[in-house]
Amino acid sequence: NAGVTQTPKFQVLKTGQSMTLQCAQDMNHNSMYWYRQDPGMGLRLIYYSASEGTTDKGEVPNGYNVSRLNKREFSLRLESAAPSQTSVYFCASSEARGPQATIYFGEGSWLTVV
Amino acid sequence: AQSVTQLGSHVSVSEGALVLLRCNYSSSVPPYLFWYVQYPNQGLQLLLKYTSAATLVKGINGFEAEFKKSETSFHLTKPSAHMSDAAEYFCAVSENYQLIWGAGTKLIIKP
Repeated sequence: NAGVTQTPKFQVLKTGQSMTLQCAQDMNHNSMYWYRQDPGMGLRLIYYSASEGTTDKGEVPNGYNVSRLNKREFSLRLESAAPSQTSVYFCASSEARGPQATIYFGEGSWLTVV
Repeated sequence: AQSVTQLGSHVSVSEGALVLLRCNYSSSVPPYLFWYVQYPNQGLQLLLKYTSAATLVKGINGFEAEFKKSETSFHLTKPSAHMSDAAEYFCAVSENYQLIWGAGTKLIIKP
């Protein structure tokens, strides 16, 4: 059981380049999330998808776009990377988007923008 | 808006000693509270969560946390630390169907 799988694990980009982080979950979850993690700041929600066909902005959406391709897959795109987007990115999923929901995380994608 | 404060970005304990990681939240309504653990180079996984069923919540790997409304706290404890407990621990509170995260506490275990 793979859980939440995200690729790539490591990526170095030049300022202005674009890239897409891929995420897939095999738990038949309805809700999916993209977070970024920066030292001393905990996790910050970038975008989420409460169910297939819907996406909504989180706390820090600027500079990012997302696509909920189907129930399994939720991708995050950086159209024009900036050094401020250097971070660790986590994809996550939950069965439903409720206050008690347990969120399951992927192993992270380390992105460096130079 | 709710907030979560974790006291101490780093906590160091000796193997076999009590682990105490502090978490305080701000909320005007009964909250849903979570502790997640992140091992090096891995994603986060749920340790335990409070959903108002009981104030003392038991989680995985021998951890437990007690919800104290009067102190707006949800501290994480473990009676005896193991080397394998070395990780970063995050407290979170649920607000409007989203999790508000603390900054995290790195637990260091001294042999």
